[in-house]
Amino acid sequence: DVKVTQSSRYLVKRTGEKVFLECVQDMDHENMFWYRQDPGLGLRLIYFSYDVKMKEKGDIPEGYSVSREKKERFSLILESASTNQTSMYLCASRASGGAFFGEQFFGPGTRLTVL
Amino acid sequence: AQKVTQAQTEISVVEKEDVTLDCVYETRDTTYYLFWYKQPPSGELVFLIRRNSFDEQNEISGRYSWNFQKSTSSFNFTITASQVVDSAVYFCALSEAWGNNDMRFGAGTRLTVKP
Repeated sequence: DVKVTQSSRYLVKRTGEKVFLECVQDMDHENMFWYRQDPGLGLRLIYFSYDVKMKEKGDIPEGYSVSREKKERFSLILESASTNQTSMYLCASRASGGAFFGEQFFGPGTRLTVL
Repeated sequence: AQKVTQAQTEISVVEKEDVTLDCVYETRDTTYYLFWYKQPPSGELVFLIRRNSFDEQNEISGRYSWNFQKSTSSFNFTITASQVVDSAVYFCALSEAWGNNDMRFGAGTRLTVKP
């Protein structure tokens, strides 16, 4: 059974703290993604990675950074958390396949609250 | 630029009613993929269907059916004889085959099925 796991389901942090959200997939997928989900806005792409040590900015990268040191792990970092980063964060992975464009597999999400 | 619009923010039906969730997309590519995902209260997005731009055949899977019409840039999703377990947020998404391989999501439609 394919699996994307995220380190925490719920997280509460204080303004200014450095926050790490971890995502691990066991499907040997090349591509990994971080989204945030807010009511009325759907899912918005923060960053994605198509290979180890490679990263690309998505639509809303400001205030975030990422790290991909191993194929199975993709970390999202909030350098200095702010209240407007309170949100649900979703990680996903997808295989590469040329003409075959597969679906993304999602983790359960981390609901982050910044006080 | 790619864009997905789900105009229905919330829909409420009574069990056994049929319901259609609308999805309209914009893309300049001729090769693209459309997806529907379900997000139940547990939070994890569940993949429902993928359709490529060259396959306009409608698809039926049990009580679910999808109507893809390139002429109107729509990819609508119908649930027949809805059940309480269908209550969830449903997302439509689009990926352009030769873009950044990222996925654009609509804002989602929250479906509530009442007993």
